[in-house]
Amino acid sequence: EAEVAQSPRYKITEKSQAVAFWCDPISGHATLYWYRQILGQGPELLVQFQDESVVDDSQLPKDRFSAERLKGVDSTLKIQPAELGDSAMYLCASSRPEAGNTEAFFGQGTRLTVV
Amino acid sequence: SQQGEEDPQALSIQEGENATMNCSYKTSINNLQWYRQNSGRGLVHLILIRSNEREKHSGRLRVTLDTSKKSSSLLITASRAADTASYFCAVKTSYDKVIFGPGTSLSVIP
Repeated sequence: EAEVAQSPRYKITEKSQAVAFWCDPISGHATLYWYRQILGQGPELLVQFQDESVVDDSQLPKDRFSAERLKGVDSTLKIQPAELGDSAMYLCASSRPEAGNTEAFFGQGTRLTVV
Repeated sequence: SQQGEEDPQALSIQEGENATMNCSYKTSINNLQWYRQNSGRGLVHLILIRSNEREKHSGRLRVTLDTSKKSSSLLITASRAADTASYFCAVKTSYDKVIFGPGTSLSVIP
């Protein structure tokens, strides 16, 4: 069964360092989402791509966060510099909106700890 | 900002009982989805209900949707210890934006 792949699963980094997460969506899924989930809270949408274009990044802290999906397939989310408050689970999801009214499929996430 | 709001925030029941969780939202939607998340893991899709549907069943799950009240409920019947998890509703808007609520933490006591 096709899955959304994310790496790494866990990342520990020192504050002020740069960190990057990678996501490979399910093949053929044009829409890709990055979420941040703080412990005990629901996922918060950071950025949404349709193919290689950003559809929504209104909640992305653009002074330190960046996201790209250059070829409209896999995607990278970067934080530079990392801050203590960035410690969270970063989740990637994909969906096929053009196929109808469908759900989003999630990867296992990357748990980031900033020390 | 999050559109979905689950109620209650936490729920503790005995195995075999039914569990009901509610979700309210603010915007117009294409569909509403329910997800489960075990501690420290990714989100697992449970069930999707479209905006033109009122009720949907899947195994022990029953979901209702009232678009006039902008609310949904998830009922888990005959709960099991393995149902212990956090449950989230997520609304999908006309721009394919998927927005989550804060979740309900369910504990099923054996």
